[in-house]
Amino acid sequence: EVQLVESGGGLVKPGGSLRLSCAASGFTFINAWMTWVRQAPGKGLEWVGRIKSKTDGGATDYAAPVKGRFTISRDDSKNTLYLQMNSLKTEDTAVYYCTKVHCSGGNCYSLYFDYWGQGTLVTVSS
Amino acid sequence: QSVLNQPPSASGTPGQRVTISCSGSSSNIGSNNVYWYQQLPGTAPKLLIYGNNQRPSGVPDRFSGSKSGTSASLAISGLRSEDEGDYYCAAWDDSLSGPVFGGGTKLTVL
Repeated sequence: EVQLVESGGGLVKPGGSLRLSCAASGFTFINAWMTWVRQAPGKGLEWVGRIKSKTDGGATDYAAPVKGRFTISRDDSKNTLYLQMNSLKTEDTAVYYCTKVHCSGGNCYSLYFDYWGQGTLVTVSS
Repeated sequence: QSVLNQPPSASGTPGQRVTISCSGSSSNIGSNNVYWYQQLPGTAPKLLIYGNNQRPSGVPDRFSGSKSGTSASLAISGLRSEDEGDYYCAAWDDSLSGPVFGGGTKLTVL
């Protein structure tokens, strides 16, 4: 059974930093493309960024609002995905979901999120 | 303001057919596949439709998707009370070089 379990959320002051983790199990993590998607309270979904598998180059991509402040990384030996968030702003307050990208026949489909974690809440407030 | 535009709400009675629209532009829906996600209250989103009109295994055929030009639609037939929740469209945007979502449509089953 595929499981994605996020942790690390909490309350942080504007300008502060936080690192989220996503522990993965039930699939071959080393081959997976992974993303972070967030949802502000009472609002819609927003793609945060993506990391490809190392076999596909390990590249990262970010949404414009977080580029230069957030960093996605992975530790394939621990089956864990990370989101390092620096220079946090009040508008970063959201539930952050870790998602697995669906790959089939050698292709990965960047918007086909076949598994989601339960989410972790990040609150940026003074 | 979301890049993809959805009506904020939709409603129907049990058994009815409801459609939810999603409008975009040539840089997103017009040139890329559309995806639809369902988010039931208090839960993480779940993929309903990929590739404009394909259903992942396990998604009932009551759910169907279509695309024409720079717009897409999600249709739900045989509406059930358990369909109540939020529905989001999504597509890759070539101008932004990333995925974009609609603002979501809250479906109420009366």
